Amino acid sequence: DIQMTQSPSSVSASVGDRVSITCRASQGINNWLAWYQQRPGKAPSLLIYAASSLQSGVPSRFSGSGSGTDFTLTISSLQPEDFATYYCQQTNSFPVTFGQGTRLEIK
Amino acid sequence: EVQLVESGGGLIQPGGSLRLSCAASGFTVSSNYMSWVRQAPGKGLEWVSILYSGGTTYYADSVKGRFAISRDNSKNTVYLQMNSLRAEDTAVYFCARTLRGYNYAYSDYWGQGTLVTVSS
Repeated sequence: DIQMTQSPSSVSASVGDRVSITCRASQGINNWLAWYQQRPGKAPSLLIYAASSLQSGVPSRFSGSGSGTDFTLTISSLQPEDFATYYCQQTNSFPVTFGQGTRLEIK
Repeated sequence: EVQLVESGGGLIQPGGSLRLSCAASGFTVSSNYMSWVRQAPGKGLEWVSILYSGGTTYYADSVKGRFAISRDNSKNTVYLQMNSLRAEDTAVYFCARTLRGYNYAYSDYWGQGTLVTVSS
């Protein structure tokens, strides 16, 4: 199975800050990577697919980069609604696997 | 408008069976890939199963042989039959529409989830 490791596991930041979350795959997955945001008690919401493609309706302050084994989700200027948990997901091979999550908290 | 509504969760004893339903609207289930993902209380997301439009299915090792994904085209509904349930199957179960292309796959619409609690 492909292991997905996110870092950091949690981060504190302020409104307006730039934040980056990294996701490392245990083997190459090309661009088969998606990022999701999950607010407490809610379903996940798709942000980025194919490593760097912005899902329709998602604000442009979200961006994704990377290929192979190392990927990054960047939020350019944090807004109050961005404080949530973020997950990466690889769909290169079965079983599909998620990172353990990164909790973004208000400083 | 695309919508997914899960149902069928509840409290079940270890060893018991439960069938979850995911009713879709705004798109045709049989023309899409459909996935189930679960989340244990306070934990992260865990992929469970996927059903391809052509009928192929895949499962996580943790549920293989115990769970079965299927669909009813006439009801535009996807199911997850869960047998031999264990305490570690306790989770919120989400269904999701999954899109797949030549270099990508992702779930763009998710239901609100249904809670399954396995306990005596």
